[in-house]
Amino acid sequence: NAGVTQTPKFRVLKTGQSMTLLCAQDMNHEYMYWYRQDPGMGLRLIHYSVGEGTTAKGEVPDGYNVSRLKKQNFLLGLESAAPSQTSVYFCASTLRPLSGSSYNEQFFGPGTRLTVL
Amino acid sequence: KQEVTQIPAALSVPEGENLVLNCSFTDSAIYNLQWFRQDPGKGLTSLLLIQSSQREQTSGRLNASLDKSSGRSTLYIAASQPGDSATYLCAVNIQGGSEKLVFGKGTKLTVNP
Repeated sequence: NAGVTQTPKFRVLKTGQSMTLLCAQDMNHEYMYWYRQDPGMGLRLIHYSVGEGTTAKGEVPDGYNVSRLKKQNFLLGLESAAPSQTSVYFCASTLRPLSGSSYNEQFFGPGTRLTVL
Repeated sequence: KQEVTQIPAALSVPEGENLVLNCSFTDSAIYNLQWFRQDPGKGLTSLLLIQSSQREQTSGRLNASLDKSSGRSTLYIAASQPGDSATYLCAVNIQGGSEKLVFGKGTKLTVNP
């Protein structure tokens, strides 16, 4: 299994440009997440999805859109990039928890380092 | 709003020392707590997950404890090695239906040979 993969690994954008980050997982996980990691701020949740065709906002969703058209893929879009979106972006996935009290670990991708000039 | 704090922010120890990393959270209504390791320029690797009903979990030289009522968790690393040098993050699961995690800012550990 490749686990969670992210494309691209690095990207430099100019202010106002758009791009899409791709996350793919081959573990048949129902739940997927996009986080950003900034110095001094820790990891913050941008958007998440609990199943194919469903998405929801996290803690810092402004300026981002997401889509989950296939169970194995979760796309993060920046329509008009801003310097404040310079960050390292991580995707993660996990299984739907079993009924009762069993919850599962999240698996993370290697990250995408984005710089917006 | 749930807040997760990790103390200390950085720690430097000599090889072979036993050490404890601390994590505290403000709201005890959590579903589980997870400890991660992050190497420079890399993603996060899950080390241990403690369900809310559990008190501790062990994996090799690592032992994590959870005291929900006091809002605390510790990660104990025995006989530290230079290869343990990394940033250690704790995260709490705040919503069982979506598995949303709230992260601390991490403790950067350096183990000196």
